[in-house]
Parts: sequence; structure tokens; C-alpha cells
Amino acid sequence: AQSVSQHNHHVILSEAASLELGCNYSYGGTVNLFWYVQYPGQHLQLLLKYFSGDPLVKGIKGFEAEFIKSKFSFNLRKPSVQWSDTAEYFCAVNGNFGNEKLTFGTGTRLTIIP
Amino acid sequence: DAGITQSPRHKVTETGTPVTLRCHQTENHRYMYWYRQDPGHGLRLIHYSYGVKDTDKGEVSDGYSVSRSKTEDFLLTLESATSSQTSVYFCAIRGGVGETQYFGPGTRLLVL
Repeated sequence: AQSVSQHNHHVILSEAASLELGCNYSYGGTVNLFWYVQYPGQHLQLLLKYFSGDPLVKGIKGFEAEFIKSKFSFNLRKPSVQWSDTAEYFCAVNGNFGNEKLTFGTGTRLTIIP
Repeated sequence: DAGITQSPRHKVTETGTPVTLRCHQTENHRYMYWYRQDPGHGLRLIHYSYGVKDTDKGEVSDGYSVSRSKTEDFLLTLESATSSQTSVYFCAIRGGVGETQYFGPGTRLLVL
């Protein structure tokens, strides 16, 4: 069965600091990878996704993620965070052979201090 | 935002009461999903549907049933609500490039 691990449960940073959130997955085949963001009191919104091609994926709001197949990782990065990035971030994976089920990590809560 | 609405948005009910949550989409997508979100667990799949009258179980389906009589509506029913079903419930649809899932606004359910 596929699984996703997000080892950082709560990250606290100051504004302008650089961000990297870890995501590792377990799956025996070719995968699609996603990062979602959930701002306080809101629903999940797609930040970025990887299906194939360039392993460095750029998303909205200055976020990017790099797929490293050999490490089964899809870490999320942002060079300079803002207070408005305070949110919960979820990594998710599904197999790309028409697999209907998306498996989520437990999430990382990011708090940005002004 | 994807055309997904959920109703009700908030509900308080008592243990043993039946509860039905509705998810409505305007995108005509084939796949629809119900998740629950709980602290420390992320999102967990309850049930999903791959077409009208076609549904399957997710990882936490016990105590829940679903129905899909029209493409646009996917109903989640708690036959007899328990306190352990207090949660935030999200509906999602799948479609577009790369089969991305898009989420509705959520329903916050409190079972007393």
C-alpha cells in the first residue's frame, strides 16, 4: 500500500527565512505527487503537482518542489517566506495508472513570525 | 475555484442520529470523493465514486455509506452518528489535466 511521510509536524520560521518541508513516499510504481495548502479555516488548495518531465516543479505563490526518484522524496521549498504563508501543508501521492486513490501525509503546520 | 459546494457547512447532532452530508459539483467530473480530516491524521478517504451508482470504500469506511444517483451529487450518510465521527468532512472531485483532485469548502460536524 502506498504511504506518505511528513516528518516535520510543526515548523516555525521568521519572515524572509527560507523554507523546506520534507515529504517521502512509499509506492511500488510510477507516481503523481502533489502539495496542497490549507489556510486557517479554509479548504485545501493545490500548490503544485508533478506527473512527469522536469523534476523541479514550480507552483503558485513562489513555491517549488523537487522530485528525487532515488530518494522517494518530493520536498517543498520557498526561498523567502511571508507571514501569509502561515498554513498547513499536505503532501499527497497516487499511482499514475488511473489509480483513483490519493494518499495524504499527516501535514506540516507552518507558522511564520512577523 | 472548482465548482464544488457542500451542505451543510456546519452541523451539530446527537449520538445515534442519522446525518447526511451533500456534495454538489458543476464540473461534470466522473470521480468524487469523501474525506475526513482529523488532527494528526491528515485527510483519510472514506468512500469514493467513479460514476453514477458506482462507489467503493476507502480506508475509513466503517459507519459510513454513500450514494450517487446523479453525476453532480455525492451523498455521505452516517446511519447512526457516534462521537468518533466528529470531524471536518471534505468532498473532492477529480478531473482536468493530470487527474488532480479539487476540494470543496468542508463540513464541520460535531456529534454530542
